[in-house]
Formats: sequence, C-alpha cells, structure tokens
Amino acid sequence: QAGLTQPPSASKDLGQTATLTCTGNSDNVGSQGAAWLLQHQGHPPRLLSYRNNNRPSGISERLSASRSGNTASLTIIGLLPEDEADYFCSAWDTSLGAWVFGGGTKLTVL
Amino acid sequence: EVHLVESGGGLVQPGGSLRLSCTASGFAFSNYWMSWVRQAPGKGLEWVTNLNPDGSGEYYVDSVRGRFTTSRDNAKNSLYLQMNGLRAEDTAIYYCADPDSYWGQGTLVTVSS
Repeated sequence: QAGLTQPPSASKDLGQTATLTCTGNSDNVGSQGAAWLLQHQGHPPRLLSYRNNNRPSGISERLSASRSGNTASLTIIGLLPEDEADYFCSAWDTSLGAWVFGGGTKLTVL
Repeated sequence: EVHLVESGGGLVQPGGSLRLSCTASGFAFSNYWMSWVRQAPGKGLEWVTNLNPDGSGEYYVDSVRGRFTTSRDNAKNSLYLQMNGLRAEDTAIYYCADPDSYWGQGTLVTVSS
C-alpha cells in the first residue's frame, strides 16, 4: 500500500522553529487530515496531534499542526533538546481502506 | 488515564504461530475501531490490520492477509492478533492502537531459526 511522503531528516538550531511536512493525496491527507506522532529512540509512538489538528491534553503549545490541500505540516517553535526525535504522520486512506504512514522525519536539534 | 497493554510477543521459528493480546482501559474500547501497527527494527510504522467496533469488519495489509486474524472481546476490553505462518519479515514491535488516538507500548515478535 502506498504511504505518505516525509523528508527523511531535518536539522534546526536550539530555540529556532522547525516545520515538518507530510504529503499524501486526496484519498488520505486531503480529505481525512493527518495525525502526527513523535517517537524517541527505544520508546513507543506518542500522539502529538489529532487528524483535526487539535492537540491531545499534555502536548506542548509550542507544537501546532495544519493542512493545505494534500500536505500536512507540524510546526514546533522554540526548539528544545527533547524535541530531537523521529516524527511520523498518519492518515486514513478512503481508497485503500487502510491507515497509511509517512516514512518519518528525523529531527536533529543543533 | 488511557492504557493499552500488549502481550504475547516472543521468539518463534519461521512457519510458527503466535497470538498477541491487547488489554485496554481508560476509554470506551467498545466504541473504537482498533488497529495493529508494526515497526520492524530501525524502520518506520506499518499498519497491519484493523477491526470495527463490533468485530464484524476486519481489514489487512496485503502482506499478512490469509496468515493473520484480528479479533476482539469487548466484554474484556481486549484485542487479539493471531499470527500464523510467520516469516522473518514479520519481525517487528507490534503496537495495539487507534492511530488517531491511543497507542500501546508494543510487544516484540522475533521470527528466526
């Protein structure tokens, strides 16, 4: 099954702003929205944003999600060392009848 | 507080079987579509299967269809994954999840002789 497209890596300085992208099509991101997950090495994924771009309780206000057409974005302001992690997007694909995931973006905070 | 706790992983030989379990608490499990998502070592996330709230509709990724079966017992707030004909490429951490809401801690399945 086809997945979502994410840049494999990104790097930003401490305190800067990072915007991560996730591109799908009209059957998934474009019509269903995308959820965002964070994963630190050796830990399970943690939900950062629902498909409707709202944050679960306990997730920092430094993070915000948005969507334009078939591309979803996650913006993190004021980068901290603990933001260094792998970030995945996911979406329900109405054509495949399946969840699809991006390959993940490894964010490095310099 | 929401918890999803997986169990049943382990080492199995190629061609063998395993049954994974997931016990949910802290949310209305019986109202949710539930999925199994796996992550091979050093790789990304791959959706494996999902099941509708009453257990009457199940869907699978092509690579496991015919070998894996998902089921649930809403009275026990539990989700299951029966895995038969296991292959080396099935080696992964298996997560119980509603990908848009809740994720478990995962259980490791290793298929090796």
